[in-house]
Amino acid sequence: DAKTTQPPSMDCAEGRAANLPCNHSTISGNEYVYWYRQIHSQGPQYIIHGLKNNETNEMASLIITEDRKSSTLILPHATLRDTAVYYCIVRVAVRSNNTGKLIFGQGTTLQVKP
Amino acid sequence: EAQVTQNPRYLITVTGKKLTVTCSQNMNHEYMSWYRQDPGLGLRQIYYSMNVEVTDKGDVPEGYKVSRKEKRNFPLILESPSPNQTSLYFCASSSITGSSPLHFGNGTRLTVT
Repeated sequence: DAKTTQPPSMDCAEGRAANLPCNHSTISGNEYVYWYRQIHSQGPQYIIHGLKNNETNEMASLIITEDRKSSTLILPHATLRDTAVYYCIVRVAVRSNNTGKLIFGQGTTLQVKP
Repeated sequence: EAQVTQNPRYLITVTGKKLTVTCSQNMNHEYMSWYRQDPGLGLRQIYYSMNVEVTDKGDVPEGYKVSRKEKRNFPLILESPSPNQTSLYFCASSSITGSSPLHFGNGTRLTVT
């Protein structure tokens, strides 16, 4: 699986949009981009994922560049409860020998400030 | 409720005393995996399993064993724990069809003295 690169930390003002970038320049054509977040030391929580098209759900939006080498997670109106570590990973979705090994990296610590 | 359950949540033990951390999921997921999390190192994969009786090493398998005798359970075994295995451990599961996301347990904080 491809490796991802994220900035170690970011700040965001409460009520503003938080835009978290992720580089995945070696992504393969059949790899999805997934985003998770971890609040304190709880288990990581799934946020959103996508393959090529931009995606939106009740939590966030995911923008994937046309060449798929990078993506941005957007939290449209950040709240203090969004303060967490955000992880971007890529993963093959189809059943294959390469779907087991996953690399999470260190993620981005997002601090939402009042 | 769909969930991944780890036990225990907290465990303090001594060097060399064998221990098992259990992980169970109720979603009929084929894929299960163990991770450890240490300050500054993020989540690192220990072992994973694609289905019953199929397991493979992740990035940091040394000192750990796993088994997958049933689809719902994926225990992590430390035959002879050492202080460098003091860490926060997470179990996760997912389907391997489509683009199913991972579901994580709440973690097990292990201290080896």
